[in-house]
Amino acid sequence: GENVEQHPSTLSVQEGDSAVIKCTYSDSASNYFPWYKQELGKRPQLIIDIRSNVGEKKDQRIAVTLNKTAKHFSLHITETQPEDSAVYFCAAIAGAGGTSYGKLTFGQGTILTVHP
Amino acid sequence: EADIYQTPRYLVIGTGKKITLECSQTMGHDKMYWYQQDPGMELHLIHYSYGVNSTEKGDLSSESTVSRIRTEHFPLTLESARPSHTSQYLCASRRKGGGGSEAFFGQGTRLTVV
Repeated sequence: GENVEQHPSTLSVQEGDSAVIKCTYSDSASNYFPWYKQELGKRPQLIIDIRSNVGEKKDQRIAVTLNKTAKHFSLHITETQPEDSAVYFCAAIAGAGGTSYGKLTFGQGTILTVHP
Repeated sequence: EADIYQTPRYLVIGTGKKITLECSQTMGHDKMYWYQQDPGMELHLIHYSYGVNSTEKGDLSSESTVSRIRTEHFPLTLESARPSHTSQYLCASRRKGGGGSEAFFGQGTRLTVV
């Protein structure tokens, strides 16, 4: 089945700096890679996603890149702000043709702290 | 309002009791998931479902069961609660569609087994 590895587990940056979180996946049938943000005491919410036919996607200060050959994808946050502090999760969903079709597997999470 | 609902929000129960955590969604989604999460920690997949009468085991499925008799309803049952089951349980759903789709989460059930 799918295995998603996420690094680092904790990340501390100064306000205005950039933050990068990296993930790798194992199932070549995975074709959809969402990123979720979970604030303290709240439910995870989607912040950006990328499909396997795209190499990069950007939404204001957030961007995601995907390298299908290497099976890794990354989240980039620029000009970080204190309100970006949260736990971030990457995930992968196996597409048709894999043994785990539809299975939504998450990485271990990254605790991001942005210091004012 | 279309959303995904979990009940109860909080539950304290004794060891050995049988419990069912409820999850319902009004978004017409066919895929549903159960995750176990300790605060700020990894989301461990327990069970998932493609649709009515379809269920699959995740990584932590051995001590629980699920059913999917109706599209909107996906209850999780612990046959015999243990202190190690103390955690937060999150239900999620997403629509069917090629290329992937956003998963929406419920607010969670915080379970304490004493």
